Amino acid sequence: DAGVIQSPRHEVTEMGQEVTLRCKPISGHDYLFWYRQTMMRGLELLIYFNNNVPIDDSGMPEDRFSAKMPNASFSTLKIQPSEPRDSAVYFCASSLAGQATSPLHFGNGTRLTVT
Amino acid sequence: GQQVMQIPQYQHVQEGEDFTTYCNSSTTLSNIQWYKQRPGGHPVFLIQLVKSGEVKKQKRLTFQFGEAKKNSSLHITATQTTDVGTYFCAATDSWGKLQFGAGTQVVVTP
Repeated sequence: DAGVIQSPRHEVTEMGQEVTLRCKPISGHDYLFWYRQTMMRGLELLIYFNNNVPIDDSGMPEDRFSAKMPNASFSTLKIQPSEPRDSAVYFCASSLAGQATSPLHFGNGTRLTVT
Repeated sequence: GQQVMQIPQYQHVQEGEDFTTYCNSSTTLSNIQWYKQRPGGHPVFLIQLVKSGEVKKQKRLTFQFGEAKKNSSLHITATQTTDVGTYFCAATDSWGKLQFGAGTQVVVTP
């Protein structure tokens, strides 16, 4: 099992540019999560999907952030336009069942730097 | 949603010593999970506790869930340099969302 795969590993972009982060969950996992990690705020849940359907996006900071899951093996998190305060490590995670009962498997993350 | 508070925030340990990190909540938890994140890495699931008073061991790591299910602890014996990292507890809030604590960052001195 390859685990959760995220790309790119690092992204450096200028303020105002569009950024797209990609995630391939573990095959067979019905849940997919996007987290953001910063020193100040720790690990924050942005949005999660169940069977490709967004269930809770209350953690998405603002309209500049959007996430999609067109099929069971692919999800994207897009930031448009990006701002310096978006700089963080973005993790994708998947789980077999809901997060209340099933461990999360995290990808290696995307380190985003917005200058 | 509820918050889980972790203490201490930082832990400097001499190699070979024991230490404990704690996770506390003001509300009763349905379960609690523990994760470890190595420097520059991603969180890795360690264990889940569900039952009141439950104790689970993984080699030198001992996890405990309080009787009232409001707190949990992780005790590491004979700390090794491989134990370096940040340990997070995570608990499900009333909306079914997993909330992570701020973590305990562990530094091991050889």
